[in-house]
Amino acid sequence: QVQLVESGGGLVKPGGSLRLSCAASGFTLSDYYMSWIRQAPGKGLEWVLYISSSGTTIYYADSVKGRFTISRDNAKNSLYLQMNSLRAEDTAVYYCAREIVLMGFDPWGQGTLVTVSS
Amino acid sequence: EIVVTQSPATLSVSPGERATLSCRASQSVSSNLAWYQQKPGQAPRLLIYGASTRATGIPARFSGSGSGTEFTLTISSLQSEDFAVYYCQQYNNWPPYTFGQGTKLEIK
Repeated sequence: QVQLVESGGGLVKPGGSLRLSCAASGFTLSDYYMSWIRQAPGKGLEWVLYISSSGTTIYYADSVKGRFTISRDNAKNSLYLQMNSLRAEDTAVYYCAREIVLMGFDPWGQGTLVTVSS
Repeated sequence: EIVVTQSPATLSVSPGERATLSCRASQSVSSNLAWYQQKPGQAPRLLIYGASTRATGIPARFSGSGSGTEFTLTISSLQSEDFAVYYCQQYNNWPPYTFGQGTKLEIK
């Protein structure tokens, strides 16, 4: 069964840091491009980061450039999101998602909530 | 950046009736458009890719059409489990990948 499970969310103060993890099962992570996508409470979906299968190509949304970093450990079948200099507007559910070329994102993890508040 | 706009924001339809949701891109995305369904408290689920191809396990009552800048998701006979929020997403010109703001399909 193809599955993604995020972890690491929680409450953090403005300016703080947090690291999210995404564990893949049922497929080989190294075969796929991956992204992090977020959803602020009651809002729509916002793509934030992409990483190629090898990890050599990374793209960022302007809203997180210079603050967030994506990485992957193919040996552990895991994806990571390092978030620094967090702001209140980063409060959201963060999803990891597998990209199928020319098909979109499938599947998505269940999401992990990040709350940035003092 | 390609802007994706969905309409209407909310659609009220009775069970058993047809629902038609629209998605417009600010410039051509060819057929590189996907539709997702999201229920409360759940992650989005891929319904349609390539503008018109149903993803694995998606019932035949869901259909997508369009190309270029205008796209439609049609649900032919609404079931109770279909009431949810629907998002379209373009993957033709990226980064960034861009999503529409969503259409909430509610029971009339």
